[in-house]
Amino acid sequence: GQNIDQPTEMTATEGAIVQINCTYQTSGFNGLFWYQQHAGEAPTFLSYNVLDGLEEKGRFSSFLSRSKGYSYLLLKELQMKDSASYLCAVRDEAGYSTLTFGKGTMLLVSP
Amino acid sequence: DAMVIQNPRYQVTQFGKPVTLSCSQTLNHNVMYWYQQKSSQAPKLLFHYYDKDFNNEADTPDNFQSRRPNTSFCFLDIRSPGLGDAAMYLCATSRETAAYEQYFGPGTRLTVT
Repeated sequence: GQNIDQPTEMTATEGAIVQINCTYQTSGFNGLFWYQQHAGEAPTFLSYNVLDGLEEKGRFSSFLSRSKGYSYLLLKELQMKDSASYLCAVRDEAGYSTLTFGKGTMLLVSP
Repeated sequence: DAMVIQNPRYQVTQFGKPVTLSCSQTLNHNVMYWYQQKSSQAPKLLFHYYDKDFNNEADTPDNFQSRRPNTSFCFLDIRSPGLGDAAMYLCATSRETAAYEQYFGPGTRLTVT
């Protein structure tokens, strides 16, 4: 079976740095995605990791350790508009496969 | 410019009354997905099409059906909605299933009265 765990909620202050963790136990692994979802809106793609290490994209970075079944999303220089739910999703095998999503971490950024 | 369009954005239906949700895409992607997302829960994949090939998830209730008449359009039919089917329904597309991100539509929020 597939199991993806993320914290339910986090709070942080504008301008700060926050790290959102995700752990997974899946029958296979072929990539991990992070999506951002604002309330009442569709998820939007943030990052994709398939190899170990850090992928940096502007204020957002994502890290993966396949041996530990662990990823994190790092958000720097937080802005109020970063208040959203952050979804971790895993693709379980190569080729013809689909994503399994975690429940998401609701991040609240305060002034 | 909208790339994945869902209509309507909000739908109210009565218990047991069939309802159809629609999704269209301008990306010419091969794959279209339907997800159900309940409050504070993960999006749950219901089924997906790779071109015309339909793939149903094992735990998707028979009450849910889908049609893809052409590349651009995909429909979700709920034959007899129950109160437990009230949720946000998200349509997504991807160029291929193997390595590409999924592009989501804005969703249709379904209320069952």
